[in-house]
Amino acid sequence: QKEVEQDPGPLSVPEGAIVSLNCTYSNSAFQYFMWYRQYSRKGPELLMYTYSSGNKEDGRFTAQVDKSSKYISLFIRDSQPSDSATYLCAVTTDSWGKFQFGAGTQVVVTP
Amino acid sequence: EADIYQTPRYLVIGTGKKITLECSQTMGHDKMYWYQQDPGMELHLIHYSYGVNSTEKGDLSSESTVSRIRTEHFPLTLESARPSHTSQYLCASRQVNSPLHFGNGTRLTVT
Repeated sequence: QKEVEQDPGPLSVPEGAIVSLNCTYSNSAFQYFMWYRQYSRKGPELLMYTYSSGNKEDGRFTAQVDKSSKYISLFIRDSQPSDSATYLCAVTTDSWGKFQFGAGTQVVVTP
Repeated sequence: EADIYQTPRYLVIGTGKKITLECSQTMGHDKMYWYQQDPGMELHLIHYSYGVNSTEKGDLSSESTVSRIRTEHFPLTLESARPSHTSQYLCASRQVNSPLHFGNGTRLTVT
C-alpha cells in the first residue's frame, strides 16, 4: 500500500472555477504537509506547507489538513489557465525525515 | 526563481556510456537529494546527503553513485547507462526543518 494516495486526474475545469485537490496518507507519524506545483518539463515548485490541522491561506490557494482523517486538500480559487499543471502533495515526519510524495494530479484550466 | 541548477536539461546517450548529472545550489543548504520521477508515478529517492563527505542511498535500488565534496555541488554518476535508466532525475536541497526545493531536472534517455 502506498503511503500517500493521490488521484492522477486529469481534472479539467473552466477558468474561474474552484479547483479541489486532495491526498490521503496512511501513517499518523506524518506531521508536515506540502503542496508542489509542477509545470511540464520543470521541477516541482513549493506552493505551501503546513503543520497543524486546519486551513492555511495564501492568495488564491488554501491548504487544508485533517489529521484525524489523514486527509489533506488544496483549493485554488478563481482558477486561471496558468494554473494548468501537475500538483503534488508531500508529507514528512515531525523530525523532517523522509519525504513521501503523491503521484500528482494533472489539472487543466480551460479558457 | 530556482536557486538550484541542473545540467544538462536533456541527455540522449547510448547504452554502456558513463554519464554524470550535475547539480549545484547557491542557497548554502546542507541537505541535498536526488529523486527519480517517471510519468504518473511518485518521486523516488535515489541518494541523499546531509553535508560534505556524507552520502546515503535512498529507497530506490540504483546503480548510480554520488559525491559531496563541496556544500553546493552534488553530482550523480551512472557508470554504465542502460535503457532502464531512462527517466527524469530531480535534484533538491533544503535547510534544516524546511521543505525541499527542486531544480528543473535532467531528462535522460538511454538508447
